[in-house]
Amino acid sequence: EIVMTQSPATLSVSPGERATLSCRASQSVSSSLAWYQQKPGQAPRLLIYDASTRATGIPARFSCSGSGTEFTLTISSLQSEDFAVYYCQQYNKWPQTFGQGTKVEIK
Amino acid sequence: QLQLQESGPGLVKPSETLSLTCTVFGGSISSSGYYWGWIRQPPGKGLESIGNVYYSGSVYYNPSLNRRVTISVDTSKSQFSLKLSSVTAADTAVYYCARLYDSYGYSDYWGQGTLVTVSS
Repeated sequence: EIVMTQSPATLSVSPGERATLSCRASQSVSSSLAWYQQKPGQAPRLLIYDASTRATGIPARFSCSGSGTEFTLTISSLQSEDFAVYYCQQYNKWPQTFGQGTKVEIK
Repeated sequence: QLQLQESGPGLVKPSETLSLTCTVFGGSISSSGYYWGWIRQPPGKGLESIGNVYYSGSVYYNPSLNRRVTISVDTSKSQFSLKLSSVTAADTAVYYCARLYDSYGYSDYWGQGTLVTVSS
């Protein structure tokens, strides 16, 4: 199966600052990549799919770039509601697999 | 607005079978192009795909769980179900049901999740 590796494990950022999260695939997943946000006690929420398309209702401060094996999620100006755990997921090959997550915490 | 809701026992004994049902509200489980899946998350850990089912009954199972998993669909009740046999403590997790775009695509709608604990 394709292994997804996220870095860093934890990112400490001040409100209003930019956050950059990385996701690497063990083999090419083309553009079949999604990002999710998860807050404590809640289900994951789809942010990005097809590597760069924002899901319905997701603000423009969330953007993603990359293809193949290297992807980056950028949150341009962190708001209080953005502090959460973020997961990347590949769906190029079954089984779809997730990264281990990056926790974005308040600095 | 599409909603999904998991139901089933929160406690299962080791070696027994875990059974969960997901009911779909506000939309059709027979929508073309969408699969319905189960994803789990052990406490404090990441997400793992278990398997997906189409309204026709076509299924995908994660090879790591393949021999223990059965996923089925009942379109008349707008439900799909998960059975995981021979459970151990390692199967303790929050189990989510979700809608998937295409056979194993991204998940745009999720249930709230249900914690299943495996313990005697």
